[in-house]
Amino acid sequence: QTVVTQEPSLTVSPGGTVTLTCASSIGAVTTSYYPNWFQQKPGQAPRALICYVSNRHSWTPARFSGSLLGGKAALTLSGAQPEDEAEYYCLLHQGGGWVFGGGTKLTVL
Amino acid sequence: QVQLVQSGAEVNKPGASLRVSCKATGYTFTNYGISWVRQAPGQGLEWMGWISAHDGRTNYAQRLLDRFTMTTDASTSTAYMELRSLTFDDTAVYYCARDYNFVPDYWGQGTLVTVSS
Repeated sequence: QTVVTQEPSLTVSPGGTVTLTCASSIGAVTTSYYPNWFQQKPGQAPRALICYVSNRHSWTPARFSGSLLGGKAALTLSGAQPEDEAEYYCLLHQGGGWVFGGGTKLTVL
Repeated sequence: QVQLVQSGAEVNKPGASLRVSCKATGYTFTNYGISWVRQAPGQGLEWMGWISAHDGRTNYAQRLLDRFTMTTDASTSTAYMELRSLTFDDTAVYYCARDYNFVPDYWGQGTLVTVSS
């Protein structure tokens, strides 16, 4: 059973910058893992933010960016807003299927 | 606009089966796949499987392989999932998502399934 690991929680100040990461137990995350990132607020369905490592969806604010960083997938939020407080999940294609990370609870404070 | 509308909340007994539907509008149904994802109370997201609405190809999460089935009906642009032999651990919100080329983009509103005796 492959495992995808994210930071359990992070805090960022309003207007600040924070990077969330997503690691695979198999090894370094590459483009062939097709990393996706999702935002989920309480009581809501997940909302897609980033696909193919760094591609924003049409509705994704420009302050969100994706990359590969030190063998992990990364989501960087630049200029955090209060409405960005949420749970963030990465999703990797590995082992023949998809595996979600455990999620990162992001607090904007 | 793209919308995925799921069936309503259910309460099921242990050992029973559940079936959730996911009706798609606003795009050509057979050009995409559908992924199913669930979320137990207070827990993270779990990928369950993927089905092509074009040709019915499937990819199931290994741990659910023996009791989980996905189907689609192109005539009504609806995807279905069935989970059998329910246990209390299957209590969760179940989501469908449109999925094309490794990109689950639009999501349904979720269906709360409670397994209770």
